[in-house]
Amino acid sequence: GAGVSQSPRYKVAKRGQDVALRCDPISGHVSLFWYQQALGQGPEFLTYFQNEAQLDKSGLPSDRFFAERPEGSVSTLKIQRTQQEDSAVYLCASSSEGRQPQHFGDGTRLSIL
Amino acid sequence: SQQGEEDPQALSIQEGENATMNCSYKTSINNLQWYRQNSGRGLVHLILIRSNEREKHSGRLRVTLDTSKKSSSLLITASRAADTASYFCATDDIDNDMRFGAGTRLTVKP
Repeated sequence: GAGVSQSPRYKVAKRGQDVALRCDPISGHVSLFWYQQALGQGPEFLTYFQNEAQLDKSGLPSDRFFAERPEGSVSTLKIQRTQQEDSAVYLCASSSEGRQPQHFGDGTRLSIL
Repeated sequence: SQQGEEDPQALSIQEGENATMNCSYKTSINNLQWYRQNSGRGLVHLILIRSNEREKHSGRLRVTLDTSKKSSSLLITASRAADTASYFCATDDIDNDMRFGAGTRLTVKP
């Protein structure tokens, strides 16, 4: 379909490993967002791109988290030296302009052992 | 940190009944949105209400906003089993940060 696509859907990693999560936004969408959703909670904002520019990264919990969108389309969220508290669902969303409405992917469920 | 608080945390009703969920928030906002999330899936945008609006309708959905009380409600009329999901409010505040509440888990029994 033409929705937001995230891969992988599930990722299991050992503590200390690096992981990379991919987001393919809806074609032509300028804005892209990453969220972290803990079990039973609402999504928490991580970072926001407008085209290739990362305009807001205030939600990234530590310097182990890094996001990029080099060509203004696909985005990658990288987590270095993963820790157990990084276990969560990572959601990506895109919008055609501004911040809403946002179209969400189905997320990547990350489990750190 | 999360801005909104949904109430109740969980709601179970029979098909055909109405479901009302409430959301309270803390800061001044530009608009408030409601999203729905089925288990294991992403969020789906339902409706947006701007800070200068008091009520909005979309199909079986009715949203109200009271900025003086910093609260909103989502009413789903004539509920169906397929409405079973988690519902989140999200506020777009004046700093352009979008914050979600913890959600209401709605179960509609057939």
